[in-house]
Amino acid sequence: SAVISQKPSRDICQRGTSLTIQCQVDSQVTMMFWYRQQPGQSLTLIATANQGSEATYESGFVIDKFPISRPNLTFSTLTVSNMSPEDSSIYLCSVDVSETQYFGPGTRLLVL
Amino acid sequence: AQTVTQSQPEMSVQEAETVTLSCTYDTSESDYYLFWYKQPPSRQMILVIRQEAYKQQNATENRFSVNFQKAAKSFSLKISDSQLGDAAMYFCAYRRPPWEGAQKLVFGQGTRLTINP
Repeated sequence: SAVISQKPSRDICQRGTSLTIQCQVDSQVTMMFWYRQQPGQSLTLIATANQGSEATYESGFVIDKFPISRPNLTFSTLTVSNMSPEDSSIYLCSVDVSETQYFGPGTRLLVL
Repeated sequence: AQTVTQSQPEMSVQEAETVTLSCTYDTSESDYYLFWYKQPPSRQMILVIRQEAYKQQNATENRFSVNFQKAAKSFSLKISDSQLGDAAMYFCAYRRPPWEGAQKLVFGQGTRLTINP
């Protein structure tokens, strides 16, 4: 498995601002994933981040809104840009270890 | 595209009894992985159990076991001797094998499980 941490654990932000979420894993992994979980909903993949290449975004998500960095094999960031109340969600990062995904504790974001 | 369906939005069970959560999925692929994840109020996604489609034997992890019916595309989770700590949202998820490209998980809508003392 893997031990994954995320910062911040929660935040309250004003609309129009941006928030960067950090994800740190305790071992080197090739693929990292960012998911969004809107209130009362299931998880939806935002993008897949591989070290050394551009992130791959799912339909409905764009780089301008959710820029991702992957500077090394243990770290990634997701930025939620120009936030609106509709961005209020839990954002989770996950890593792939032996064909199984393990998740971080999530970042709970509230946009006012 | 693959889809995962959990037809039970909510389930409840008495402590120490057994409960089964249902999951069906749609895929045209022959090899894939299936998972059950648990999400307690803390919001942490916790892996409960994993099943490889090429394995006929049903996966088991302590009090948790699955009934994998490949032809019917069904993947139910049985929790035996239910405990108060089992109360959570349970998500069924599908994943393609690594040689098929994208490794994302496709999740069902979730089933909220309540344990009655």
